[in-house]
Amino acid sequence: DTGVSQDPRHKITKRGQNVTFRCDPISEHNRLYWYRQTLGQGPEFLTYFQNEAQLEKSRLLSDRFSAERPKGSFSTLEIQRTEQGDSAMYLCASSLGVDSYNSPLHFGNGTRLTVT
Amino acid sequence: TQLLEQSPQFLSIQEGENLTVYCNSSSVFSSLQWYRQEPGEGPVLLVTVVTGGEVKKLKRLTFQFGDARKDSSLHITAAQPGDTGLYLCAVGNQFYFGTGTSLTVIP
Repeated sequence: DTGVSQDPRHKITKRGQNVTFRCDPISEHNRLYWYRQTLGQGPEFLTYFQNEAQLEKSRLLSDRFSAERPKGSFSTLEIQRTEQGDSAMYLCASSLGVDSYNSPLHFGNGTRLTVT
Repeated sequence: TQLLEQSPQFLSIQEGENLTVYCNSSSVFSSLQWYRQEPGEGPVLLVTVVTGGEVKKLKRLTFQFGDARKDSSLHITAAQPGDTGLYLCAVGNQFYFGTGTSLTVIP
């Protein structure tokens, strides 16, 4: 399977702990995106990378959130000092190029985070 | 404020009925995409529309991009239980998503 993979699928953590999620995009895709989604709502944009460069970060993203893509391949999303409001599905997606028309998003199946 | 507003938020219909869902904005976009998401999975692309007034058909699904490229609609004919899911529109190189329409088709 050469789709986008995310690990872990589920994470339960206690408030105040740090968590890290991993995303492996489709290998030839140079853009990688992170989204947060709550039940029944559309995905909320968090950040995206072009190769290893982080091009944009949502203003909604607090400084407890950080994402990296050190070698332009896999990416990690870390949440420090988790809060109950961080409970959500975290989705990763990748795309081939710059033009959204020619390069749709391919999503992973997400990491569901529960903060107790 | 949401860049893209979708309506209705929830829709529950009987198998065989027709339906239309909407994606609206006050901004103009060069293209717009529709995705469908099933529970426990990521969204999957259905279609991309580019030209104002464009109509695209995908089997029983008909997509239209508004003339001014600010809005779009998705019409489903003779809905089937397999159409159940969250329908999302998205725009921009950052792929900003709308609020979503959750569709349930009852057998």
